[in-house]
Amino acid sequence: AQTVTQSQPEMSVQEAETVTLSCTYDTSESNYYLFWYKQPPSRQMILVIRQEAYKQQNATENRFSVNFQKAAKSFSLKISDSQLGDTAMYFCAFMKPRPQGGSEKLVFGKGTKLTVNP
Amino acid sequence: DAGITQSPRHKVTETGTPVTLRCHQTENHRYMYWYRQDPGHGLRLIHYSYGVKDTDKGEVSDGYSVSRSKTEDFLLTLESATSSQTSVYFCAIRAAGGAEQYFGPGTRLTVT
Repeated sequence: AQTVTQSQPEMSVQEAETVTLSCTYDTSESNYYLFWYKQPPSRQMILVIRQEAYKQQNATENRFSVNFQKAAKSFSLKISDSQLGDTAMYFCAFMKPRPQGGSEKLVFGKGTKLTVNP
Repeated sequence: DAGITQSPRHKVTETGTPVTLRCHQTENHRYMYWYRQDPGHGLRLIHYSYGVKDTDKGEVSDGYSVSRSKTEDFLLTLESATSSQTSVYFCAIRAAGGAEQYFGPGTRLTVT
């Protein structure tokens, strides 16, 4: 079974600085997807970024980028120019595609609580 | 906004009573999911559906049942609620051919 580990329960960063959140995962699959979700105090789960394992290029979405190291099974999230609105829980998630039938399932890490300080 | 609503948004119920949570989507997505979120555990999959009347169990399905009689609605039922089922419940959808799951606003359930 796949597992996702987020080793940093809590982190803090000053506004406008850069912070990196860590995520490692365990799988024997070669084809899969990785995601970062953000959960602000409103409780809404918001998709931040996704990465396909077969793509070597790291995904980027505005101030959010990932460092995907497939051999190391590492998938870190970098937030540049941190803003107060980035304060949230961040969850790393893994999904293995299924070739037919059923449905793919997301496996989540336990989350990292990020606080952006003014 | 992926057009997902959950009802109720908050509920307090007593141990032993049946509870049904509803997830409603407006975009006819094939795949729907129910997760629970607990401190220290992240989100864990309870049940999922890959079409009308097609459902399967997730990793924490004991004590829960689901039904999907039409594309837009996915119901989660606790037949006899227990205090261990106090949690926040999220519904999610995924479009056929897509990889991302999009989540509803969540339901906070308290079992006393």
